[in-house]
This record gives sequence, C-alpha cells and structure tokens, in this order.
Amino acid sequence: DVKVTQSSRYLVKRTGEKVFLECVQDMDHENMFWYRQDPGLGLRLIYFSYDVKMKEKGDIPEGYSVSREKKERFSLILESASTNQTSMYLCASSTRQGPTSGSTVGELFFGEGSRLTVL
Amino acid sequence: KQEVTQIPAALSVPEGENLVLNCSFTDSAIYNLQWFRQDPGKGLTSLLLIQSSQREQTSGRLNASLDKSSGRSTLYIAASQPGDSATYLCAVRSFSGGYNKLIFGAGTRLAVHP
Repeated sequence: DVKVTQSSRYLVKRTGEKVFLECVQDMDHENMFWYRQDPGLGLRLIYFSYDVKMKEKGDIPEGYSVSREKKERFSLILESASTNQTSMYLCASSTRQGPTSGSTVGELFFGEGSRLTVL
Repeated sequence: KQEVTQIPAALSVPEGENLVLNCSFTDSAIYNLQWFRQDPGKGLTSLLLIQSSQREQTSGRLNASLDKSSGRSTLYIAASQPGDSATYLCAVRSFSGGYNKLIFGAGTRLAVHP
C-alpha cells in the first residue's frame, strides 16, 4: 500500500515563527503536492513538485515555500507564520506518467493531514 | 475553467439503504476522475479512479460511473453501513487545468444511522 506520512498531526505556533511541515512517501512517486483545506473553501493547491528540486506554484503560494531535495520528501515552509495560515495541511503524491499507459497512473494518495494553529 | 459540483451537500440515510452520490463537472475534456473519502480531522482516502476512457470502476460495495459527455459521475454505495459515514469528495484532472492539478468538489457529507 502507498504510504504518505506527514510528520506532525497537530502543531501550535506563534505569529512570526518559521514552520516546517514534512511529508514523506514510500512509493517512488514523481509528483508531490501540498494542499490546504478550510471550511467553505475546500481544498486549495499551494505548491507541487514533479521532480527533485523542481516546483511549481499552485493557486495560493503566497506566504509559503517548498523544498524537495530527495524524491521521497517534500517540505512546506511557512517563513513567518500568520493567523490566516491556521488550517489543515494535506500532502499528496502520485505517479507522473501521462494517462496513455492505461493503468491507474495519476491516482492521488494523501497523508493524514497536519492541523496547524497559529496564535 | 473547470468547476466541480457535488449534490447533495449532505445526506442522512438508514443503514442498509443503497445510495447515489453525484458529481458534475463543466469541462468534459478530462484525463480522469477520482473519488475520495474523508473522515473528520483526517486526510483523504482514495476510493476509485476512473480514467477518461472508462465508464465505471468497482471496489467492493462501491461503484463509480463516468459519463464525460454529460459531465457527470456517480458513486453508488450498496447496502450502506454506519462505517460509511464520512465526507465523499470527487476530483477531476482536466486538460484545461493541467495534468498535475486536480479540481475538487466541495464534498457530500454522508451520515448512515443504525
């Protein structure tokens, strides 16, 4: 089974602190993603990475950065946490191959989530 | 721009009932559609993935269908159980959004009572 592991389930931080959220996957997936989920707003893509050291902005990248130094690990960084970044953060991974291979490529697998509270 | 809608937003049924959850999308040019389950305070669990060339997928008591031309997918749950209570989300990977970007619906919150 695919395993996507987020290092912290619950974090409480203070405004202005630097926050690291870590995500590790064990299926050799090329793609990794960070989403945030808020009531009434659904899931929103922050950043994704399709290879080591490669990253692309999602819909709401402001206030966040990411790091992918190894294929299995994708980190989300809040340089200076603010109260409006209180949220559930979800990491996900998938294979990169296009849809023509005919198998379940592209299936997205999520971690358990990290609930961040910024005071 | 792809938009994904799930109706109803919430559903409460007695145990044992067969039920259908609906997902509609505005742009039929999709790569695939995926159904997820989310328990409160947890991450999303993948249930079924339907590629654009497929009409349906089955896993146990779950059956998902896809009709690209009408922009609809349904998730059928047979003989519902209290353990099926969760929020169900569908997500579409479409040409317009780029292959790596899924567009999620807001979800249907299902409660199955004994």
